[in-house]
Amino acid sequence: DTAVSQTPKYLVTQMGNDKSIKCEQNLGHDTMYWYKQDSKKFLKIMFSYNNKELIINETVPNRFSPKSPDKAHLNLHINSLELGDSAVYFCASSRWGRSSYEQYFGPGTRLTVT
Amino acid sequence: QKEVEQNSGPLSVPEGAIASLNCTYSDRGSQSFFWYRQYSGKSPELIMSIYSNGDKEDGRFTAQLNKASQYVSLLIRDSQPSDSATYLCAVYGNKLVFGAGTILRVKS
Repeated sequence: DTAVSQTPKYLVTQMGNDKSIKCEQNLGHDTMYWYKQDSKKFLKIMFSYNNKELIINETVPNRFSPKSPDKAHLNLHINSLELGDSAVYFCASSRWGRSSYEQYFGPGTRLTVT
Repeated sequence: QKEVEQNSGPLSVPEGAIASLNCTYSDRGSQSFFWYRQYSGKSPELIMSIYSNGDKEDGRFTAQLNKASQYVSLLIRDSQPSDSATYLCAVYGNKLVFGAGTILRVKS
C-alpha cells in the first residue's frame, strides 16, 4: 500500500544516454511534482502537474521532459544525460487548492551518470 | 538572499533535551509552512505544517510561525537519538521552496 512509488530506485548510466524514471501515487491526489536533490542535499522543484496539466516548469534544461498520462502517474524522461545530472530525483504528490499544499514524497531515484 | 534560510548545523543536543530549529524566509506572500524530516538516504517525510501565526503542537513537536518576522521554528521536546536527521523547512508561496536543511544530532 505504498503511497508514492518510483522506479527504478537506482539508475547508473553513461553520458549521452537517454533514461526514464516512473512515478505513481495512490493517494488520490491530483497534483504531482518532480524534485532534484543534489550532492549538497539541496532540494529543488523541477516540474509540477495538476490533473495532467503542466503548471510549474522551473529553469530546467529541455533535455528533461515530464509526461503525465493520468493524474496518478508522472514520468520523467531525460535525454543526452550529462555528469551534472547525477542526483537523487524525488517524485511527490499533493491535493490541489488553498486548503492543503502538503506534499508527500516517493522514495527517490538515485541517478549516477558516468 | 536565499528564499528560505536555515542554519546547516550540525545542532547537537543531549537525549531528553529540547532541540530548537529555526528558519527564515524572504517572500512575505508565503501562505503555508512545513517541516520535513529526512534521514540519510531516505526521502523527506512531512512532520508538521502550520498556516497561521502562533504555535501548533503535535506530540513532541511544536511549530511556531511569526509572519511579521518571516520566521518559522520547530521545537522537539524530549529529543531521542531516533530524531537525528536533517530537518528541512519548506515555504509555499506559489511553489514549495526548501531550505538547505539543519542536521540534528541527538546524543545518548
